[in-house]
Parts: sequence; structure tokens; C-alpha cells
Amino acid sequence: QVQLQESGPGLVKPSETLSLTCTVSGGSVRSGNYFWSWIRQPPGKGLEWIGFIFHSGTTNYNPSLKSRVTLSIDTSKNQFSLKLTSATAADTAVYYCARLSVGCDSTSCHRRYDYWGQGTLVTVSS
Amino acid sequence: QSALTQPASVSGSPGQSITISCTGSNSDIGSFNYVSWYQQHPGKAPKLIISDVTSRPSGVSDRFSGSKSGNTASLTISGLQADDEADYYCGSYSSTTTLELFGGGTKLTVL
Repeated sequence: QVQLQESGPGLVKPSETLSLTCTVSGGSVRSGNYFWSWIRQPPGKGLEWIGFIFHSGTTNYNPSLKSRVTLSIDTSKNQFSLKLTSATAADTAVYYCARLSVGCDSTSCHRRYDYWGQGTLVTVSS
Repeated sequence: QSALTQPASVSGSPGQSITISCTGSNSDIGSFNYVSWYQQHPGKAPKLIISDVTSRPSGVSDRFSGSKSGNTASLTISGLQADDEADYYCGSYSSTTTLELFGGGTKLTVL
């Protein structure tokens, strides 16, 4: 059973960098059909896709956050990480890491966020 | 404002059926069969209940079903149970630079 677990500071000061790590167990980040993703949810609001990274290091980011976001992956530790610079109160949210599974068989293709971490609340405040 | 539009709330009585809609555009729901639905109980992570418009992951009740017509996807829950009370989010692949879109969520109340 694949499990994902977020870790990192729960409080970040405005203008500083928000940094989180997701540790994957029960599976490998080197697997070819998965994109390792970050999604956030401000308190009382909906989900917002931040971006994802492939085991090769290829990334794709939400254009609204692209100038401030960097994703990285450490295959030796089976982890991937998020850095969000110049944090503001608007970045206060529960941050989830998730696995995006994509692929095709002989009859159909699929694309789904099938495993999620439990989420970690990050508050941006002085 | 979310890229995909869902009703803020729906309600139903135990045993009844309800449907939640999710409206997008020709750049996402209308052109791709990559619509997913997630159930989120308070304080918990989202749980995948429908993927690729109609597919149910192993372990998900067959009371949950999905469909799509044009730019609108729908989630139907039949035989409502108390534990179905939760927030439901739709998600879709998009051909725009924002590859992944989510709806604003729908709060389901079981009366």
C-alpha cells in the first residue's frame, strides 16, 4: 500500500520561503507512470494544483505560482519537495502531496490522483 | 473563483439519490475523459472515488457513479447514507498551461 507523508514547518514568516517534503513508502518515486504532485487547500476553500515532478526531474507548474515555486526529487531518499518563495498570508493552506497516475492499456487511458498524504497546515504569519 | 464550477451545496435524505454537476469548458471536460471526483470528510485528505469520468477504484461503493455530457460532468450517489455527508470535488485535465483544474467543491448534507 502506497503511503505519502508531508513534513515541514507549520509556521512561516511573510516574505520567507515555505519548504515541505513528501516521503513516499510502499512504492518508488522512480516508477515510470507516476507524477509526484503538490496540491493545496486554503482554509474553507477548494483545491488548487501547485505542480508535479517526474522521476527524471521534469516539472510542470501552475502558471499562477510558477515564478515562486520549485519542485525537486530525491530518488535515493524516495522523497520529493516543494519550495515556495516570498510567502504571503494568501499561501496559508493545507498542503497535500499526491501521486498522479497516468497510463494506457490496450483499451483505455487513465489519469488520476490515486494516493494522497494526510496534509499539513502551513500558516504564513509574523 | 475555481476553473470548474460546482454547486456550493446539495442535500438529500437517506436512501435517495443526488447528482452533483461540474461544468468546465472545451479545453478540459469537453475534450478529455480525464474527469475525477474526490470525497473529503472534515479534516481528512481527499479520497478518489471516480476517475476517467466513469471508473471506480477498487473498494469504492457502486453507489457512486460518474458521467459526462459536453462540458459538464456529473457525480451521482444513490442510496444515500449518513457517511456520504462530505465535500465533493471534481477535477479535470486541461489542455491549457494550467494542466490540472479543480472545482470549488460541493457540500453534501444528508438530512
